Amino acid sequence: GAVVSQHPSWVICKSGTSVKIECRSLDFQATTMFWYRQFPKQSLMLMATSNEGSKATYEQGVEKDKFLINHASLTLSTLTVTSAHPEDSSFYICSANVGPGEQYFGPGTRLTVT
Amino acid sequence: ILNVEQSPQSLHVQEGDSTNFTCSFPSSNFYALHWYRWETAKSPEALFVMTLNGDEKKKGRISATLNTKEGYSYLYIKGSQPEDSATYLCASERGSNYKLTFGKGTLLTVNP
Repeated sequence: GAVVSQHPSWVICKSGTSVKIECRSLDFQATTMFWYRQFPKQSLMLMATSNEGSKATYEQGVEKDKFLINHASLTLSTLTVTSAHPEDSSFYICSANVGPGEQYFGPGTRLTVT
Repeated sequence: ILNVEQSPQSLHVQEGDSTNFTCSFPSSNFYALHWYRWETAKSPEALFVMTLNGDEKKKGRISATLNTKEGYSYLYIKGSQPEDSATYLCASERGSNYKLTFGKGTLLTVNP
């Protein structure tokens, strides 16, 4: 089956620093990847759609200058949380779209900002 | 409704019990309904993608039904096993843009 990896699986950083999270499709190519985040006891919320070779599209209320997304190849999308603050602490998870009804998820990244 | 709602939030059953949970979703502009199984520290695993009203899908002991007119789906697990313990997520896809709106999930614990 299609496998999506994320790195790192967890990260702790200091307030004001930037953190990069990688999402890779290991055995398939994906022109479209999605980034979600989940706060405690909440649902997965779509942040942005990452399209290979073009700019990401962000959902309403998500700051594009704070959450930088790069999808430079068909197997890699990165999410950089810039100038992270404690309120950015969350669980971030990506998915890769293969086709209609086929979306494969990574295992997620737990970000803690101190 | 505009949000995806799942109930119950959690439940505990004994090994061998059958159980079911509910997902309610917006019926307007419906495209597909997804069910995922999510174990801690692992990737959510796709169980079913359902598109047609009245659709029923089955995978082993797990099955799901779909009512797009009233906006609900049921997931059934027959003869629960401890390895079925996980969070079960449903997600609504409205329009064919692949964007998913998730519910908060139902946490199932199966006691041996």
